[in-house]
Amino acid sequence: NAGVTQTPKFQVLKTGQSMTLQCAQDMNHEYMSWYRQDPGMGLRLIHYSVGAGITDQGEVPNGYNVSRSTTEDFPLRLLSAAPSQTSVYFCASTSGTSVLNTGELFFGEGSRLTVL
Amino acid sequence: KNEVEQSPQNLTAQEGEFITINCSYSVGISALHWLQQHPGGGIVSLFMLSSGKKKHGRLIATINIQEKHSSLHITASHPRDSAVYICAVREGGSEKLVFGKGTKLTVNP
Repeated sequence: NAGVTQTPKFQVLKTGQSMTLQCAQDMNHEYMSWYRQDPGMGLRLIHYSVGAGITDQGEVPNGYNVSRSTTEDFPLRLLSAAPSQTSVYFCASTSGTSVLNTGELFFGEGSRLTVL
Repeated sequence: KNEVEQSPQNLTAQEGEFITINCSYSVGISALHWLQQHPGGGIVSLFMLSSGKKKHGRLIATINIQEKHSSLHITASHPRDSAVYICAVREGGSEKLVFGKGTKLTVNP
């Protein structure tokens, strides 16, 4: 059981370049989310999705796009990378929603992104 | 805005000591998570609580909904417990999680 698979693990970009961080889960989880982790700060929610075709913004959505065409995949797109987006990114999924409230969190291994 | 505060920020212990990490939050929640982040960076879920107490091996998590407070206890601590422990809460009726900044635990042999 692969759990949450996140790629790439490391990426260096130049300012203005675009890229996509991939996230896939094989647990049929409805809820998926993207976070960034910066030194001295807690994990901050970028975007989340409660099911295929449904996405919403989190705390720090600017500069990032997401889509959820399937239950399994939730890619995060940086359209024009900026140095402020240098961070470690985590994808997570859970079986629970605010209604069902059953969900253990499963995290990907993280992606370290540097924007020069 | 829901604030999640963890204390202490850093904690150093000797092997075998009993460890307590605290988490306080400011609004009503539907669930609270305790997570562990190892030095390599990976994050794993330890507990999800909505009330009461849970135990897994040497780890115990408690929550007091009325006082908006949770604690994570580690009994007979071991150097392999060295990690950052993170508290996260889901506000009632919300799909969003709010995270504390983490508590860095170092257990010396």
